[in-house]
Amino acid sequence: EAQVTQNPRYLITVTGKKLTVTCSQNMNHEYMSWYRQDPGLGLRQIYYSMNVEVTDKGDVPEGYKVSRKEKRNFPLILESPSPNQTSLYFCASTDFRDYGYTFGSGTRLTVV
Amino acid sequence: DAKTTQPPSMDCAEGRAANLPCNHSTISGNEYVYWYRQIHSQGPQYIIHGLKNNETNEMASLIITEDRKSSTLILPHATLRDTAVYYCIVWGIYNQGGKLIFGQGTELSVKP
Repeated sequence: EAQVTQNPRYLITVTGKKLTVTCSQNMNHEYMSWYRQDPGLGLRQIYYSMNVEVTDKGDVPEGYKVSRKEKRNFPLILESPSPNQTSLYFCASTDFRDYGYTFGSGTRLTVV
Repeated sequence: DAKTTQPPSMDCAEGRAANLPCNHSTISGNEYVYWYRQIHSQGPQYIIHGLKNNETNEMASLIITEDRKSSTLILPHATLRDTAVYYCIVWGIYNQGGKLIFGQGTELSVKP
């Protein structure tokens, strides 16, 4: 089944403790992206990657890092999480052809 | 900012057609109209997209006006499982790195 897999689904952590949210897609898509969703602010892009080793900032990149060492994986790294990064995170991928973006199921992160 | 305007909420009776409007008066010639939906806090799901012709798939129909300044998503026989937030998005591969820009969407409630 074609899908984007994120892990973990839920995570509660403390301020300053580094964490990584993993994202993997099995569709051989070149383009991958991370979004965060907050009440009243909607979905906003954090980072995106056009291909392996090619990444760029989205609208809200502060406090996040990404890497794209392999085509299928696009992890989101929070080096020093803060409470304002408490949010619902989605990874997505596309090949810019017929079916738009495929989104993962989401990761609900709480930073205390 | 999102280039689309949608009503914040709509109701529909189960079994009836749901017609969700979207205005996109500043759409460019190379931009598509995409529709996604988000059920509760799951990842957004692709529904349908079009450039200028009307489109139909197993989920929905998309009607785009001749001047392309507005469109309507039609769910022909709405069910309770169609209750979701529906996003109309204007997207172009050459615009802003190909990202999806989400507005606030229309919250559709399908009632028995």
